[in-house]
Amino acid sequence: DIQMTQSPASLSASLGETVTIECRASEDIYNGLAWYQQKPGKSPQLLIYNANSLHTGVPSRFSGSGSGTQYSLKINSLQSEDVASYFCQQYYDYPWTFGGGTKLELK
Amino acid sequence: QVQLKESGPGLVQPSQTLSLTCTVSGFSLTSYNVHWVRQPTGKGLEWMGVIWTGGSTDYNSALKSRLSISRDTSKSQVFLKMNSLQTEDIATYYCAREDPGYYFDYWGQGVMVTVSS
Repeated sequence: DIQMTQSPASLSASLGETVTIECRASEDIYNGLAWYQQKPGKSPQLLIYNANSLHTGVPSRFSGSGSGTQYSLKINSLQSEDVASYFCQQYYDYPWTFGGGTKLELK
Repeated sequence: QVQLKESGPGLVQPSQTLSLTCTVSGFSLTSYNVHWVRQPTGKGLEWMGVIWTGGSTDYNSALKSRLSISRDTSKSQVFLKMNSLQTEDIATYYCAREDPGYYFDYWGQGVMVTVSS
């Protein structure tokens, strides 16, 4: 199985700040990567697919990048509604696997 | 619009069987794969299994011996059954639709399951 290592596990940032979350795969996943946002008590919501494509309705301050085994999610100009946990997921190879998550809080 | 909704008992006794239903609307089970994913409270996501558009299934190898996924296309329902439940199975269980691009574009609200006597 492909292992997904996400960092950091938790993150504290100020409003308006730029935040970056990293995800590393144990082998090349050829951009088969999605990012999800999960607010407390809610189900995950798709943000980014194919490593860098913004899902419909997601604000443009979210962006994804990377290739091979290294990927990142960037949030520009952090807003209060961005407080959530974020998960990466690889779907290049079965079985689908997720990163451990990053909990983003406001400083 | 596309919706998925999980239902089932919130409490299961140790060693008993968990039975959950995912009722979908806005799409056909013969056109989209549906997955089950679980999440222990405060922890990460674990992929459990999938029922493919053709009706076949695949499971997480760690759960394969205990897990069964089936469906009733006429009722737009997907079923999860997992036996021999233990406290390690306490989690919120989600069903999710797989976009043709392989990622999960819609998720249900989730159902929290506790294992206790």
